[in-house]
Amino acid sequence: AQTVTQSQPEMSVQEAETVTLSCTYDTSESDYYLFWYKQPPSRQMILVIRQEAYKQQNATENRFSVNFQKAAKSFSLKISDSQLGDAAMYFCAYRRHNFGNEKLTFGTGTRLTIIP
Amino acid sequence: ETGVTQSPTHLIKTRGQQVTLRCSSQSGHNTVSWYQQALGQGPQFIFQYYREEENGRGNFPPRFSGLQFPNYSSELNVNALELDDSALYLCASSPLQGSQTEAFFGQGTRLTVV
Repeated sequence: AQTVTQSQPEMSVQEAETVTLSCTYDTSESDYYLFWYKQPPSRQMILVIRQEAYKQQNATENRFSVNFQKAAKSFSLKISDSQLGDAAMYFCAYRRHNFGNEKLTFGTGTRLTIIP
Repeated sequence: ETGVTQSPTHLIKTRGQQVTLRCSSQSGHNTVSWYQQALGQGPQFIFQYYREEENGRGNFPPRFSGLQFPNYSSELNVNALELDDSALYLCASSPLQGSQTEAFFGQGTRLTVV
């Protein structure tokens, strides 16, 4: 079974600084997707960034980028120029690559606080 | 705005009762998944529906059941509620297409069992 581990229950960063959230996963599959989701107090899960395992290039979305290390099964999220609106729970998630939809397996989350 | 809507937003039930939660999927999405998120935890997969049939199930007992309707909206039913069923229940919809992998989530239903 696939597992996702987030070892940082809480992180904080000064506004405008950079922070990195860690995620490791375990799978025997060679092809899969990895995601970072943001869950603000409104509770709605919002997709931040997605990485396809067969792509060697790290995904980037504006201020958000990932460091995907497939051999190490590591998938960290870097947030640059942190903003107050970035404060939320962040969840790392895994999904097998399959034509049909498969379940998302989530980590336990990291609570990110932005210090003004 | 993702277009996935869930109702109700909050609900309080008594142990032993039954509850029905509802989800309207985003337009064009024919697959709906349900997740349970206990306080301080990540979401756990309950089951998924595709074209009105269950298409995958997580480690949840049979008292958790669901339906999907022809318009792709869905219901989650929980019988014989237990205190541990208190959680945020999230619905996610997605298109079943080859490279489409993003699931869009609703805002959830907060269920409290007393």
